[in-house]
Amino acid sequence: AIRVTQSPSSFSASTGDRVTITCRASQDINSYLAWYQQKPGRAPNLLIYGASTLQSGVPSRFSGSGSGTDFTLTISRLQSEDFATYFCQQYYSYPHTFGQGTKLEI
Amino acid sequence: QVQLLQSGAEVKKPGASVKVSCKASGYIFSRHTVHWVRQAPGQRLEWMGWINAGSGKTQYSQKFQVRVTITRDTSANTAYMELSSLTSEDTAVYYCARTYGSGSYYPWGQGTLVTVSS
Repeated sequence: AIRVTQSPSSFSASTGDRVTITCRASQDINSYLAWYQQKPGRAPNLLIYGASTLQSGVPSRFSGSGSGTDFTLTISRLQSEDFATYFCQQYYSYPHTFGQGTKLEI
Repeated sequence: QVQLLQSGAEVKKPGASVKVSCKASGYIFSRHTVHWVRQAPGQRLEWMGWINAGSGKTQYSQKFQVRVTITRDTSANTAYMELSSLTSEDTAVYYCARTYGSGSYYPWGQGTLVTVSS
């Protein structure tokens, strides 16, 4: 199975900050990577797919980049509603695998 | 709008089985694949398997291969995930999710907490 390693595991930031989360796959996954946001007690919500395509309805302050094995999620100006946990997922091959999550805290 | 609505929380004893349902609305159920993913306390999300809602074809994670069965009822627009021989390590929130694009997941169901305890 493809291993997906996310960093950092947690991060403290302030509203208005620019934040970058990284995700590394154990082998080349082309651009078959998605990013999700999850708030406590809620299901994950798709933010980015295809490594860099913004899901409809997601604010433009979210962006994704990368291909191959190294990927980043950037939030350009943190808003209060962005404090949550973020996961990456590779869907290049089965089993689909997820990063361990990055908890973004105030 | 596209929505997946899951059945309610379950409490099971070790050795029992659990069956979770996932009712789809807002789209043509038979045209999409439904995945099942679980999230145990403090653990990362874990893919369990998928079903092609049209053909009924399934694929399972090797980890769950012998214990999981995913089915669907097209007349009810509902997918099901049954997990047998439960242990305390199966205590988790179980999610269904629809394939979106080439393999990302959107939307997700609201999650079903399964607690395994004697």
